[in-house]
Amino acid sequence: NAGVMQNPRHLVRRRGQEARLRCSPMKGHSHVYWYRQLPEEGLKFMVYLQKENIIDESGMPKERFSAEFPKEGPSILRIQQVVRGDSAAYFCASTGLAGGSYEQYFGPGTRLTVT
Amino acid sequence: SQQGEEDPQALSIQEGENATMNCSYKTSINNLQWYRQNSGRGLVHLILIRSNEREKHSGRLRVTLDTSKKSSSLLITASRAADTASYFCATDASGANSKLTFGKGITLSVRP
Repeated sequence: NAGVMQNPRHLVRRRGQEARLRCSPMKGHSHVYWYRQLPEEGLKFMVYLQKENIIDESGMPKERFSAEFPKEGPSILRIQQVVRGDSAAYFCASTGLAGGSYEQYFGPGTRLTVT
Repeated sequence: SQQGEEDPQALSIQEGENATMNCSYKTSINNLQWYRQNSGRGLVHLILIRSNEREKHSGRLRVTLDTSKKSSSLLITASRAADTASYFCATDASGANSKLTFGKGITLSVRP
C-alpha cells in the first residue's frame, strides 16, 4: 500500500533553469495539495488540485509557478526560471475526499536547491 | 497571517517526562491536526480532532481542543528519545477547501 510518492527527492538547479516536481497521490486519492516549507518555517499552502482541475491556487506566486494534475499520471509542480529564493522543501499531500475532517497524507518532499 | 501558532517554540525534556505543546489559531475550523517532522524528513500525521470533539487519545498522545479559546494542546506522555522532532499543528479552516494552515512548529528534544 504505497503512500504518497514524490520525485525527485533532491533537485539542484542553477538560477534561470526550470524545476519540475512530481507527486503521485495515494492509491484511490484524487485530491492533491502542494505546500512549500522554507528553512525553520512551517508549511505554506500553494495549490489544491483535483484531476484535471485547479480548485484553489491562492498560495501560488503569480509568476513562474504552475501546477497540473492530469487525468493520467502524477501531479506536476513547475517552477520556471528558478531563483535562489525558490530553494525550499516542497511537499504534496493527498486525500480521498474533499471537505473538512479528512487527514492529509504527505509525501517525503522534494528539496530544491537553486545555485 | 499565521493561522496556527504553537508554543513553546522549543522544548527540552528528559526521557520519561511528559511533553505538552500548545497551538492557537484565529478563524473557525473544521478540524485541527498535529504532525511530526523529523529533521530533513516528511510529515507524519499524528492525530486529527474535529471541531465538535474536545479530547482525543492515540497511544501516548492526548489532544485537546477548545474552540471557545481557539486553542489545542498535544500531550506526549512518557517521552522517548525517538520523540525528538518538530511538531506542527495545522488547521482546516471552515470553507477553505480543506487546505491546511500550519504554524511554525515546536522543536522537541528528549534527552536520553
